[in-house]
Amino acid sequence: NAGVMQNPRHLVRRRGQEARLRCSPVKGHSHVYWYRQLPEEGLKFMVYLQKENIIDESGMPKERFSAEFPKEGPSILRIQQVVRGDSAAYFCASSWAARSGANVLTFGAGSRLTVL
Amino acid sequence: ILNVEQSPQSLHVQEGDSTNFTCSFPSSNFYALHWYRWETAKSPEALFVMTLNGDEKKKGRISATLNTKEGYSYLYIKGSQPEDSATYLCAKSLMEYGNKLVFGAGTILRVKS
Repeated sequence: NAGVMQNPRHLVRRRGQEARLRCSPVKGHSHVYWYRQLPEEGLKFMVYLQKENIIDESGMPKERFSAEFPKEGPSILRIQQVVRGDSAAYFCASSWAARSGANVLTFGAGSRLTVL
Repeated sequence: ILNVEQSPQSLHVQEGDSTNFTCSFPSSNFYALHWYRWETAKSPEALFVMTLNGDEKKKGRISATLNTKEGYSYLYIKGSQPEDSATYLCAKSLMEYGNKLVFGAGTILRVKS
């Protein structure tokens, strides 16, 4: 069991380009979460997905950001037309079973986005 | 606004010292309280999940307690070792939001040998 795999680990984009961050959850986990860590800040919830469904996207910026978790393949966090303020570390986590607040999250190592 | 607060922000102790950190949170809409350990350049790693008032959990030299009525949790490390150096995060789970966690900013622990 390889845990939560995120790639790329580091991504550099120029303003206006698109960033795609991928997350493969722990085998058997059907729930995926994305968190963002801005410089000098803690982890902030962005979005919670199950296979093919967005359950809670209350932490996602309303524009330019989208997330999906298709039936096959990894979850993707997509940022269009990146700006310097999008520079951050983006962490993916996964959990198993039902929607329970007591389920432990397994985190990936994060993807660090730098916007020039 | 929901705020999970952790104190102290950072802590430097000598090897062998025992230490403790505090996590405080709004007691309303409580479902679970999570503690994670985050070493530099690694992923946050789950330590404990507690749901009931009065819960106590222990893993080796690390233990945690929970008071949901007054909205706080303590994490204790007995006989700190250099390998305990990490950022310790607590997070509150809101019942109506499933496993969406609201994290505190963390306590950075440095243990000197």
